[in-house]
Amino acid sequence: EAQVTQNPRYLITVTGKKLTVTCSQNMNHEYMSWYRQDPGLGLRQIYYSMNVEVTDKGDVPEGYKVSRKEKRNFPLILESPSPNQTSLYFCASSLLGQEPPEAFFGQGTRLTVV
Amino acid sequence: AQSVTQLDSQVPVFEEAPVELRCNYSSSVSVYLFWYVQYPNQGLQLLLKYLSGSTLVESINGFEAEFNKSQTSFHLRKPSVHISDTAEYFCAVSDKRTYKYIFGTGTRLKVLA
Repeated sequence: EAQVTQNPRYLITVTGKKLTVTCSQNMNHEYMSWYRQDPGLGLRQIYYSMNVEVTDKGDVPEGYKVSRKEKRNFPLILESPSPNQTSLYFCASSLLGQEPPEAFFGQGTRLTVV
Repeated sequence: AQSVTQLDSQVPVFEEAPVELRCNYSSSVSVYLFWYVQYPNQGLQLLLKYLSGSTLVESINGFEAEFNKSQTSFHLRKPSVHISDTAEYFCAVSDKRTYKYIFGTGTRLKVLA
């Protein structure tokens, strides 16, 4: 089954404790991205990657890092989480060259930073 | 730069009544248009997409959206809603060159019995 898998689904952590949210897709998609969803703001892009070892900032990259060492994985790293990063996070992937480029989303990770 | 506006944050409607969820966009470049649906505690699922051609796009579950280039709108409609349509609906545009999605703020559709 084609899917994007995020882990964990729920996470409560304390300010400053480094954490990683994993994202993996099994569709051989080149394009992957991370979004955060906040009430009244919709989804905003954090980082994206066009292919292995190619990453770039989205609209709200501050406080986040990503890496793309393998095509299927695109982890989101919070080196020193703060309460304003409490949010619902989604990973998505798309096939480059497809018209239009349908995005497949993971189930989401609800992060609470206290 | 692109932007997407969904003016209605919440839309309550009775079962079997028609509904329209409004979406307006602005873009200086060519974009693709989408509607995604998010059911409670789930990720986003593609509802329908507009590429080109006919301005009316239909989904498999009775929703349709009409692309209006002059009004830069992509409103979502359904002639008769069901309780199971209760969800949050997001309008989005995707830049044809960068593949980046820009989402609206979402519209919560609440179908009442």
